Amino acid sequence: EDQVTQSPEALRLQEGESSSLNCSYTVSGLRGLFWYRQDPGKGPEFLFTLYSAGEEKEKERLKATLTKKESFLHITAPKPEDSATYLCAVQRPSYAGNMLTFGGGTRLMVKP
Amino acid sequence: KAGVTQTPRYLIKTRGQQVTLSCSPISGHRSVSWYQQTPGQGLQFLFEYFSETQRNKGNFPGRFSGRQFSNSRSEMNVSTLELGDSALYLCASSLELAGVHEQYFGPGTRLTVT
Repeated sequence: EDQVTQSPEALRLQEGESSSLNCSYTVSGLRGLFWYRQDPGKGPEFLFTLYSAGEEKEKERLKATLTKKESFLHITAPKPEDSATYLCAVQRPSYAGNMLTFGGGTRLMVKP
Repeated sequence: KAGVTQTPRYLIKTRGQQVTLSCSPISGHRSVSWYQQTPGQGLQFLFEYFSETQRNKGNFPGRFSGRQFSNSRSEMNVSTLELGDSALYLCASSLELAGVHEQYFGPGTRLTVT
């Protein structure tokens, strides 16, 4: 059974204080690992897809990395508007369809 | 390009009733997946439809069902509602093109069962 564990569950940062969120996974064959951002009362917003160990992707203050067992979402000099829940999900090879298995999320709060 | 739309956005139903939720995917997307989100269980996969066929199903009782139409729009139905069915129901669509696997989510339908 696929498992995705995110840590910490909640993270409070001061504006400008960089940090990393962790996503550990076990899956029978990984097609892709996805990061999403979710604001309260809204659907998840797609951020990144990572396909193979060693891959990195960046978007503004966010950088996602992938190893064979975990992924990190690095947040550099965060701003209050980065406050949200960040979700990690894994997807199996194509024969298993598009099903995503999600972690519990990390709730990030950035104080000015 | 318009995103994934879901209707209605909010619903209040009574235990024992049934409910139908609707999802319109991004234009050109042929895969539609449904997820249930609750504070206790997080985001859980319900089912996925592709070309009007259910391709994958999560671990939910048979009271949860869905279908997809020829224009890729999808509906999900929950019969004999229980209090525990109160949740945010999310629909996501995917392009299904080689090398592109991202799913884009709609705003969700907030279902409250009383």
